[in-house]
Amino acid sequence: EAGVTQFPSHSVIEKGQTVTLRCDPISGHDNLYWYRRVMGKEIKFLLHFVKESKQDESGMPNNRFLAERTGGTYSTLKVQPAELEDSGVYFCASSLGGDASNSPLHFGNGTRLTVT
Amino acid sequence: DQQVKQNSPSLSVQEGRISILNCDYTNSMFDYFLWYKKYPAEGPTFLISISSIKDKNEDGRFTVFLNKSAKHLSLHIVPSQPGDSAVYFCAASVWTGNQFYFGTGTSLTVIP
Repeated sequence: EAGVTQFPSHSVIEKGQTVTLRCDPISGHDNLYWYRRVMGKEIKFLLHFVKESKQDESGMPNNRFLAERTGGTYSTLKVQPAELEDSGVYFCASSLGGDASNSPLHFGNGTRLTVT
Repeated sequence: DQQVKQNSPSLSVQEGRISILNCDYTNSMFDYFLWYKKYPAEGPTFLISISSIKDKNEDGRFTVFLNKSAKHLSLHIVPSQPGDSAVYFCAASVWTGNQFYFGTGTSLTVIP
């Protein structure tokens, strides 16, 4: 079974540019999450999809961030325009569904975003 | 406001000894707790979990203890091995929920 895959693994962009991160969850996983970790800080929740619907986007920092999951398969997270404070590692995770108790998160390896 | 706290950023332990990683939480609604392990350049991987109806869960060398009254949990690794060197994240959720809250991680180094 293929795991959660994220692309690119690294991205270096200048302030003001646009970057799009992609996540392919484990096949059959309805739940898809985006998290971000800024250096040394906690892994912070950004948003949660159930299939193609946004279940919870309370962690999205501001309207420069846009996440989509068309067709309920892969997801993209676009940052436009990027700011210096957006730098960090962006993790995608997926889970089968149902409650947290029977469906632990499976993480991808993350995209390290550096905004200069 | 951080709801899950790991106050020790790092820990060093001799091979063969016990490693104890600690985690505190503030939200009394949390009733499901997990530990994840993360190697450099990889995503976190699920290690072990515990629900609030238990105070201990064991899986091989890994044991998680939960003290609900103190809102505290700990991960014990016995015996510690060099391959256990990684960053360990504590996470919490509501049993019927779908959002997980993570701590800042503790970097464990097991010295051969």
